[in-house]
Amino acid sequence: QQQVKQSPQSLIVQKGGISIINCAYENTAFDYFPWYQQFPGKGPALLIAIRPDVSEKKEGRFTISFNKSAKQFSLHIMDSQPGDSATYFCAAPPKGAGNNRKLIWGLGTSLAVNP
Amino acid sequence: DAGVIQSPRHEVTEMGQEVTLRCKPISGHNSLFWYRQTMMRGLELLIYFNNNVPIDDSGMPEDRFSAKMPNASFSTLKIQPSEPRDSAVYFCASSPRDRGATQYFGPGTRLLVL
Repeated sequence: QQQVKQSPQSLIVQKGGISIINCAYENTAFDYFPWYQQFPGKGPALLIAIRPDVSEKKEGRFTISFNKSAKQFSLHIMDSQPGDSATYFCAAPPKGAGNNRKLIWGLGTSLAVNP
Repeated sequence: DAGVIQSPRHEVTEMGQEVTLRCKPISGHNSLFWYRQTMMRGLELLIYFNNNVPIDDSGMPEDRFSAKMPNASFSTLKIQPSEPRDSAVYFCASSPRDRGATQYFGPGTRLLVL
């Protein structure tokens, strides 16, 4: 079964702290791992994505790290701010997708950053 | 760019009624996705179109659900007859040809079936 397991389900962090969300993939394709951010009442929006030819990608306070041997990838939010409070989703393309562009989604992590 | 446009934003209906959700993808995008989001099941892909052709409808829950994409700028998701368990937020997303699996979501339609 192709799946993406995301943890934790919810996370509370103090302002200025580091938020860490993990995803483990199984039997998915191995070419693209995006993270999406969803605010209440809005649709998910692409936050940052990584391809497996690099082990880490950083955009501002957001960093994806990739561990091929463990089949895991993680999102780190440095200096977390109350405005980062949202639900975060990881995703991966299904194995054998070819030109099929569907994604397999994690169940999401609800992040709350306390001021 | 106006982004993905969905209508209506909210819909309240009674069990047994027909519900039609509408989506206008971003101009130039060639893939379109319909998702359903609930607290219990998370984000579920219902159906996916590529160049207006349905590619994968394995997520459509049952025959009560149908989707069409008559042209590159319009798609509908229809539920007939609707049931209370269909209550959810329905998202439409589109993807450009040259951006791999990057998907751009609309604001969603919040459906409540009484």
